[in-house]
Amino acid sequence: QKEVEQNSGPLSVPEGAIASLNCTYSDRGSQSFFWYRQYSGKSPELIMFIYSNGDKEDGRFTAQLNKASQYVSLLIRDSQPSDSATYLCAVGETDSWGKLQFGAGTQVVVTP
Amino acid sequence: NAGVTQTPKFQVLKTGQSMTLQCAQDMNHNSMYWYRQDPGMGLRLIYYSASEGTTDKGEVPNGYNVSRLNKREFSLRLESAAPSQTSVYFCASEVGGGGQTQYFGPGTRLLVL
Repeated sequence: QKEVEQNSGPLSVPEGAIASLNCTYSDRGSQSFFWYRQYSGKSPELIMFIYSNGDKEDGRFTAQLNKASQYVSLLIRDSQPSDSATYLCAVGETDSWGKLQFGAGTQVVVTP
Repeated sequence: NAGVTQTPKFQVLKTGQSMTLQCAQDMNHNSMYWYRQDPGMGLRLIYYSASEGTTDKGEVPNGYNVSRLNKREFSLRLESAAPSQTSVYFCASEVGGGGQTQYFGPGTRLLVL
């Protein structure tokens, strides 16, 4: 059973601080990794994807990937109240083209 | 360009009733997916269609059937609804070919009494 693990939170972050979210996965052959943001009552929306080891930055978001440790993280810099949401980690399955395995999500609460 | 659309937005069923959830995308994507989301369990794949004319089971297919009507439309049918199928259902599409970036519809909230 392939698994994607995330801390459920809530992760409380002061406004302006850095939020650090972590995700581990069991499928060693996975090659693609995604972070989705989901506001309460809404559908998931893609924030970032990363395929290679290292860091990938997009605005205030940085995704970090370490395939050897089977670990992917998301940093949110200068956190804003609008960043309060649940963040879903998703991992591409190696034995099925296109399918994703999702974690249960980490709830982030940014406090003013 | 509406992206991925789903109907209905909300539905209440009695145990044993049937219904079909509709999904359509206008992004010319090849692959489409149906997920359910329950509290604390994340998104679980019910069925998917890698391309027009093909469908395959996901992680939790029991109690559901699907139809890939054409490239745009992918429907999910509950033949005899059960309270355990109370959930939020999301449809997603992806360009296909291994890109794996999925785009989600707004969801259908289903309550089975």
